[in-house]
Amino acid sequence: KQEVTQIPAALSVPEGENLVLNCSFTDSAIYNLQWFRQDPGKGLTSLLLIQSSQREQTSGRLNASLDKSSGRSTLYIAASQPGDSATYLCATLGAGNMLTFGGGTRLMVKP
Amino acid sequence: GAVVSQHPSWVICKSGTSVKIECRSLDFQATTMFWYRQFPKQSLMLMATSNEGSKATYEQGVEKDKFLINHASLTLSTLTVTSAHPEDSSFYICSARDPLQGAAEAFFGQGTRLTVV
Repeated sequence: KQEVTQIPAALSVPEGENLVLNCSFTDSAIYNLQWFRQDPGKGLTSLLLIQSSQREQTSGRLNASLDKSSGRSTLYIAASQPGDSATYLCATLGAGNMLTFGGGTRLMVKP
Repeated sequence: GAVVSQHPSWVICKSGTSVKIECRSLDFQATTMFWYRQFPKQSLMLMATSNEGSKATYEQGVEKDKFLINHASLTLSTLTVTSAHPEDSSFYICSARDPLQGAAEAFFGQGTRLTVV
């Protein structure tokens, strides 16, 4: 059974810092890995999708990498802003078309 | 990109009543939709997989008679919480992927905050 772990669980940084969120998974047989953002009391917004054959994806200040062999993905946020404050979730798509979520990283960017 | 719409965004109901939550795929046909439950400060837990035209598949520990799922069309799945109790209060979120896109991006509804009083 796939297990997805996100470290750290919470992170507080001053505005402008570059930061890295980590996601690890136990079963490397995945179709893709997706990073989401969730604001309090809201649904999930898809940020980046990395197919199993890809190594990284970029969107604006966000860059996500995937290393299937080691079961790791990182989300890099450049020049963080207070508006980036949210919970970030990673999820793997595996057998049975099931998404398995990590516990999330709660990010607070202080002005 | 594909959009999934969920309604209502919040609902308060009395204990013992039933509540229906709708999940719609707006610009693609979803043969499969997924229902999740999320407790405060926790991640999403899959409750069930909704299959168009057939019975839903429930995860272990989820009562199928408590959480009724109907997927009567390719764009609509509903989750009905029957005889709701305060412990059913939670955040419920649905998800769908465009089946024509293979291992595609998952899109999520806005979520429904259910409070049972």
